Amino acid sequence: AQSVTQPDIHITVSEGASLELRCNYSYGATPYLFWYVQSPGQGLQLLLKYFSGDTLVQGIKGFEAEFKRSQSSFNLRKPSVHWSDAAEYFCAVGTFSGGYNKLIFGAGTRLAVHP
Amino acid sequence: DTGVSQDPRHKITKRGQNVTFRCDPISEHNRLYWYRQTLGQGPEFLTYFQNEAQLEKSRLLSDRFSAERPKGSFSTLEIQRTEQGDSAMYLCASSLAEAGRGYEQYFGPGTRLTVT
Repeated sequence: AQSVTQPDIHITVSEGASLELRCNYSYGATPYLFWYVQSPGQGLQLLLKYFSGDTLVQGIKGFEAEFKRSQSSFNLRKPSVHWSDAAEYFCAVGTFSGGYNKLIFGAGTRLAVHP
Repeated sequence: DTGVSQDPRHKITKRGQNVTFRCDPISEHNRLYWYRQTLGQGPEFLTYFQNEAQLEKSRLLSDRFSAERPKGSFSTLEIQRTEQGDSAMYLCASSLAEAGRGYEQYFGPGTRLTVT
């Protein structure tokens, strides 16, 4: 069965520090992978996506993610965190079946940023 | 492109009442999805429409839940005889079914339901 695991429930970093959020997936075929961010009380905003090609993908707000097939991972990184990055981050895999893309999400990682 | 909108943003209801939520997708998007998100969890898939056809329903969608998308435009999600376990954020997303572009889902702000 398809699944997404985000091992870190909560992470705290200092402003200006680097960030890496972990994501592992289980999916039989080539996955479509996504990272979304959710601010309190808000919907989800797409940060970046991986469909194929270059395994290092760039997204909005200075985020990037690297797809590693051998490790079934799609970790999100940012070299220097800003206080406005405090939010909840969700990794998702798109299960492409029947001609459409249903998303399976991880439980999320809540990011706190210290000044 | 005005984005996905949902109405209402918040709904408080008493157990046993019926509630209905509305989702307006991005205008040219022909695919529409409903997800439910409970506290501390990621969103879970509920159902999917392509145009006006409802093509998949999750086991999470009990017979108290019904969704429609008349004319392939906006969608409604109705919950009958609400229970406290229905308290959650209900998220709507839409996407465009086009080669190479059909895989990105854009989410609305959600409707937060509280059942008392």
